[in-house]
This record gives sequence, structure tokens and C-alpha cells, in this order.
Amino acid sequence: SQTIHQWPATLVQPVGSPLSLECTVEGTSNPNLYWYRQAAGRGLQLLFYSVGIGQISSEVPQNLSASRPQDRQFILSSKKLLLSDSGFYLCAWSPSGRKSDEQFFGPGTRLTVL
Amino acid sequence: GDSVTQMEGPVTLSEEAFLTINCTYTATGYPSLFWYVQYPGEGLQLLLKATKADDKGSNKGFEATYRKETTSFHLEKGSVQVSDSAVYFCALSAFSGGYNKLIFGAGTRLAVHP
Repeated sequence: SQTIHQWPATLVQPVGSPLSLECTVEGTSNPNLYWYRQAAGRGLQLLFYSVGIGQISSEVPQNLSASRPQDRQFILSSKKLLLSDSGFYLCAWSPSGRKSDEQFFGPGTRLTVL
Repeated sequence: GDSVTQMEGPVTLSEEAFLTINCTYTATGYPSLFWYVQYPGEGLQLLLKATKADDKGSNKGFEATYRKETTSFHLEKGSVQVSDSAVYFCALSAFSGGYNKLIFGAGTRLAVHP
């Protein structure tokens, strides 16, 4: 069966510090991968998606970047965090291709920028 | 563009009460529709889905019917429990750029009291 992992689970960082959040998927090959942000009390905003290694698309301009160095690894990064980067970050995966439209979510990382 | 609108929360109910959370959508074509649930501090879990008009998705006592004529996918449960307290997200899938993009509503918080 497939599983998705995210770490760390929680993170407190000062403004201006770098960020690296990691997401890995097990039990599947060539998944589509996604990063979402959920601000306090709000819905989900899609940040990045990837359909393959090295292929990253950004949905909104921001202070963050994403990379996919391996087939089942998706990393969210920032060189200098802003207060507005605080939130709950969710990674998700879906099978590649059009047939499956369901996404499976990881447990999330709660980021607090002080 | 495609969008999802959910009733605003919070929704506060007593145990064993009837639940309805309204969801309407705007989309070109015939998207699949989903309800996801987020328990406190956790990621999102798929609750139920429907892939075509008049389909009824059901799980854990929750139901939702894909109504094309009213572009709705309202979530219902006949008798809620305290353990149902969570945030519920309605979503639709839209295929674009080689992947299925999920578009979420803002979420509805449900609080069930004993």
C-alpha cells in the first residue's frame, strides 16, 4: 500500500531563516506531487505541483520554491522566511495520468515564523 | 474559472443531530466531486467522492449526491457524533496541464457537543 510522509511535524523558525520541508511517498512510482498551504482558519492553497523529476510548476508567486530530486521526494524550500509564511503545509500525491483524480495527503507540517 | 463554494462555519450541533453542509460548484465539463475531512492537527482524509451526475458517495454514515442540475454536492449525516468534529472540505477535480488539479472550498468547521 502507498504511504506519504512529511517532516518535520512542527517547526518554529525566526524571520529571515531558511526553510526545508520534506515529503516522501512509498509504494508507488512516478506519482504527481503537490504542496499546499493552509493559513490559520482558511482553505487550502496549491503552491506547487510536479508531474516528474525536475518538473515543477508554481501556482502562485511567493517566497517559496520546490524541488523534486528523486521520483518520490518533494522538497519545499525558502532562503529567507517571512512572517506570512506561517501556516500548515500539506504534501499530497496522486497517480500519474488522467484516470485517477483523487489526491492523498500527508500528515502536514505546522510552521510558525516568529 | 472553476470554483467551489461552501457554507460558512462554524456549524455547532448536539450529538445525534442531523447534519447538512452545503456545497455548490462552478466548472466546465463534468468534474469529479469530493468531500475531505481534516481532524484537529492532522492532514486531509478523503471522506467520499462521486464521479458523475446522480452518483451518491457514502462513507462512515456520511452521504453526498452529485446534482448536476443544481451544481451541488451537499454533505449529510443523519446522526452526528462528537468524533465527527472536524473541518470538512468540498472539492472538485479539473484536468489541466497534464494533471488533475483539486479545487477546494474554504472549509466548514463542525463542532459536535455531547
